Amino acid sequence: EDQVTQSPEALRLQEGESSSLNCSYTVSGLRGLFWYRQDPGKGPEFLFTLYSAGEEKEKERLKATLTKKESFLHITAPKPEDSATYLCAVRNNYGQNFVFGPGTRLSVLP
Amino acid sequence: GAGVSQSPSNKVTEKGKDVELRCDPISGHTALYWYRQSLGQGLEFLIYFQGNSAPDKSGLPSDRFSAERTGGSVSTLTIQRTQQEDSAVYLCASSLQLERKTQYFGPGTRLLVL
Repeated sequence: EDQVTQSPEALRLQEGESSSLNCSYTVSGLRGLFWYRQDPGKGPEFLFTLYSAGEEKEKERLKATLTKKESFLHITAPKPEDSATYLCAVRNNYGQNFVFGPGTRLSVLP
Repeated sequence: GAGVSQSPSNKVTEKGKDVELRCDPISGHTALYWYRQSLGQGLEFLIYFQGNSAPDKSGLPSDRFSAERTGGSVSTLTIQRTQQEDSAVYLCASSLQLERKTQYFGPGTRLLVL
């Protein structure tokens, strides 16, 4: 059974304090690993898709990396507007549904 | 362009009543997904559609839950004889195709069963 775990459950940073969020997964043939951002009361917003180990993607202060067992979302010099819940999801080679992790709740204090 | 829309945005109902939740996907998106998100929980997959057909209904929690999609566009998720444990946010997402395509989510319908 495909599984996704995320750590930490919650993270509090000072503005400008860089850190990383972890997504660990077990999947029967990875078809894609996805990162989303979710603000309170809203649906998840797509950030990145990674397909193979060693792949990296960047967007503003965010950088996502992928290995065969986990993915990291690196946040460089975060700002308060980066505060949100960050969700990780995987999709396998056999099914069409996505398996989501529980998320990391990030708070960036000014 | 317009994103995924869902209605109603909020729904309060009494235990035992039926509810219908609607999803309008992005125009041209052939794949449509329904998820449930309970308070403090991750997203739970319910069902997906490719066109009007639903090849995978394995995520539906019980036979009280059903979904349909007509014209390859609008989808309706129906919950019959609602229970308090059905209270959650129901999210819809669509993607251009199933294969390696990103899902775009709607804002969700917040369902409260009293």
